[in-house]
Amino acid sequence: GESVGLHLPTLSVQEGDNSIINCAYSNSASDYFIWYKQESGKGPQFIIDIRSNMDKRQGQRVTVLLNKTVKHLSLQIAATQPGDSAVYFCAENIGPKGYSTLTFGKGTMLLVSP
Amino acid sequence: DVKVTQSSRYLVKRTGEKVFLECVQDMDHENMFWYRQDPGLGLRLIYFSYDVKMKEKGDIPEGYSVSREKKERFSLILESASTNQTSMYLCASSVGPFYEQYFGPGTRLTVT
Repeated sequence: GESVGLHLPTLSVQEGDNSIINCAYSNSASDYFIWYKQESGKGPQFIIDIRSNMDKRQGQRVTVLLNKTVKHLSLQIAATQPGDSAVYFCAENIGPKGYSTLTFGKGTMLLVSP
Repeated sequence: DVKVTQSSRYLVKRTGEKVFLECVQDMDHENMFWYRQDPGLGLRLIYFSYDVKMKEKGDIPEGYSVSREKKERFSLILESASTNQTSMYLCASSVGPFYEQYFGPGTRLTVT
């Protein structure tokens, strides 16, 4: 399969642990953020998003935290499972209203051991 | 569910060939995007389109062009393929700005 994981920071956890993946974003004017999961050989899959008027948002087993003061985003995965092993990307929305684009971070590889 | 399909999963072309990568989405999304993904470099935006017949350059448009004649279809064209265009190409669509992008499975292009 594809190796998008070369040269990436890696987080190794045991099954059942909670995982925290961090991301620093670049633009203080960004007002929309997304986390994606990419498994080997597949396209990125949307996990959760958050807008800048919030500092926390929860989904199923996942929580995203946004700290605008230090331009930091984190993804928390509860009770991590082997199926969560993948590369995780954060993305920030940049550009003028009307047509803006996402800028992606380089990604973090999450490895979950049974 | 949103479905974004790409014409090929794997493609091998020779240097100098003209290459067409096709992307189709079935959710009537306004915006469509082409990215390339390389180890260590992440996803980089090549071109995007926010409406039929409209296109905008992304971060790395050199060597590429695009076509959007119908809302559901966005094509990436490599006018004269070169070895440095060997990469994974990902198409995405979204309903508009400030909404999530849905990705296709990718096309792994090798230029020899």
